[in-house]
This record gives sequence, C-alpha cells and structure tokens, in this order.
Amino acid sequence: AQKITQTQPGMFVQEKEAVTLDCTYDTSDPSYGLFWYKQPSSGEMIFLIYQGSYDQQNATEGRYSLNFQKARKSANLVISASQLGDSAMYFCAIGGFKTIFGAGTRLFVKA
Amino acid sequence: DTAVSQTPKYLVTQMGNDKSIKCEQNLGHDTMYWYKQDSKKFLKIMFSYNNKELIINETVPNRFSPKSPDKAHLNLHINSLELGDSAVYFCASSQDGINWDSPLHFGNGTRLTVT
Repeated sequence: AQKITQTQPGMFVQEKEAVTLDCTYDTSDPSYGLFWYKQPSSGEMIFLIYQGSYDQQNATEGRYSLNFQKARKSANLVISASQLGDSAMYFCAIGGFKTIFGAGTRLFVKA
Repeated sequence: DTAVSQTPKYLVTQMGNDKSIKCEQNLGHDTMYWYKQDSKKFLKIMFSYNNKELIINETVPNRFSPKSPDKAHLNLHINSLELGDSAVYFCASSQDGINWDSPLHFGNGTRLTVT
C-alpha cells in the first residue's frame, strides 16, 4: 500500500525567505509520481509541481522546487522568496488511480 | 470556462435525507475521482472511475453511490445522510489515472452539512 507522511502540521516563515515543507512516501511500485497541491483558505485545490520517480533532475516551477531524494523516499517542497499569498495548506500526494494525500502542512507567511 | 465544475457549492440537509452532488469536467480527461475532506483537512479518496468504469471503491459505505453516465460526468448520490457525512466533497479529474504522472484537477468542492 502507498503512504504519504507530512510531519509538520504548521510552519511559519518570514516574507521573502525560503521554506521547506517535508514529505516522505512509501510505495512498492517501481514507477510513481509525486505531486504537491496548495489549498488556500478559499478552499480550492491547486496543482503546484510534479516529480516522476525516474526523473534525473529535481522539478522546478517558478518559485517552487522539489527536493527529491529517492533513496530516502522524500520529496520536499521548497518555496523560495515567500509571499503573503503563499499562506495556505500544502499537500503532498502520490499519483495514480488511487492518488493518496498526506495530512497537509499549514504554512503561515509573516509580514 | 471552468475545467471541473461541481454543484451545489453548499448543501445543508437533515439526517436521513438523500442528496446528490454533480460533477462535470470539460478537459477531455479519462479518469474522475471523488474525495472527502474532513474537518481536519484530511483528504480521503472515495472512488475513481476510468472511462465510466469503477476502478477504486475505497471502503465507502454503500449509502454512497457514484454514477458516471459518460466520461465527462461523475455524480455522487448519498442515501440516508448521517452527521458524520458532513465534510467537503471534491470532484477531480486526471488525464489518465493509469499513468502516475497525471496531476489531478479539482472542482471547487461541495460543503455538505448534515444537521
């Protein structure tokens, strides 16, 4: 069975600083995809970034990057130059027909 | 144009009633999903369908019955509503769930309150 673990229920970061949100996963599949989603207080779910298990390079998407360490089974999200609008819940997920989500991390960006 | 739309946005009803939530996607995706998000924000998969065929039924009570008339629609009917059904229900779609690299596109959610 697949599993996603996010151990940080809440994180604070100062505006304009970088922050890392942790995610570890467990799967027996040889191929898999890892995703991060953002859920602002308005409630919608927004896809941020994707990392494939066979990708040689870490994924980047604007201010978002994924620190993928396959041997450690971790896929941490790094947000650079935090903005007030980054305050939200962030979910890590492992993809497929049964896409499984972690418990989420609530990020607070301080002015 | 909304990619994944679900209606209604809010649903308030009494215990024992039956209600439906509708979902439509115009992305041409093959796979659709229902998720339940509880008060602690935990997202739990309920069902996934691929081209109208049920793929995942994640130990959901049989009071919940999904129906997919075509691959662009996945509706959720709930019988005999209980207090514990109160949650936000999200519909989502992906290009092809068999490929683990397809991100999910979510609807805006339906907040169900059972009193």
